[in-house]
Amino acid sequence: EAGVAQSPRYKIIEKRQSVAFWCNPISGHATLYWYQQILGQGPKLLIQFQNNGVVDDSQLPKDRFSAERLKGVDSTLKIQPAKLEDSAVYLCASSLEPGQGRQPQHFGDGTRLSIL
Amino acid sequence: RKEVEQDPGPFNVPEGATVAFNCTYSNSASQSFFWYRQDCRKEPKLLMSVYSSGNEDGRFTAQLNRASQYISLLIRDSKLSDSATYLCVVNMGNTGGFKTIFGAGTRLFVKA
Repeated sequence: EAGVAQSPRYKIIEKRQSVAFWCNPISGHATLYWYQQILGQGPKLLIQFQNNGVVDDSQLPKDRFSAERLKGVDSTLKIQPAKLEDSAVYLCASSLEPGQGRQPQHFGDGTRLSIL
Repeated sequence: RKEVEQDPGPFNVPEGATVAFNCTYSNSASQSFFWYRQDCRKEPKLLMSVYSSGNEDGRFTAQLNRASQYISLLIRDSKLSDSATYLCVVNMGNTGGFKTIFGAGTRLFVKA
């Protein structure tokens, strides 16, 4: 089965610019997650979708970050404007079933973002 | 207190050693638990789920202690290829579904 696809793999931008990341989850996976992982730390959940609805976005900095999952499949995460502290790896993951989270998550390769 | 806490590490062990990691969680309503492995500059990959009765997969054993609110991972006969960061993951019940919390990870270095 094809894994979680993310693009781009790397992105370098200047502060105050905008950037967007794309994620295609594993086919049939209802739940999609976006994480931010700063060097030396564990992944931090930014937003969780169940189909095309938002389940949890409590840690998403909504003044600059936005995400959508049109038609319950692909998703995009946008940062506008970027700040230096946004330098991180942005990971997308998906899992099979909604509900109680008993299915493991499968991760894409991530997008490594550097802000100059 | 963090919702999920792990041994800080790093753990430096010789090949063949047995090493154990612990992970504590604060929410007693937590429902499911996993261990992930993350290699340098790679994405996390599922190592194993953690079941209430404990489970084993080759050299790896995972256990859950709900009373004390921790999970553990035991690696026997360590290999050089086991060198990685091990992430504890806890899914907690949340409005509308569940909430996933990752620990900060424990780094393991296995030396020849």
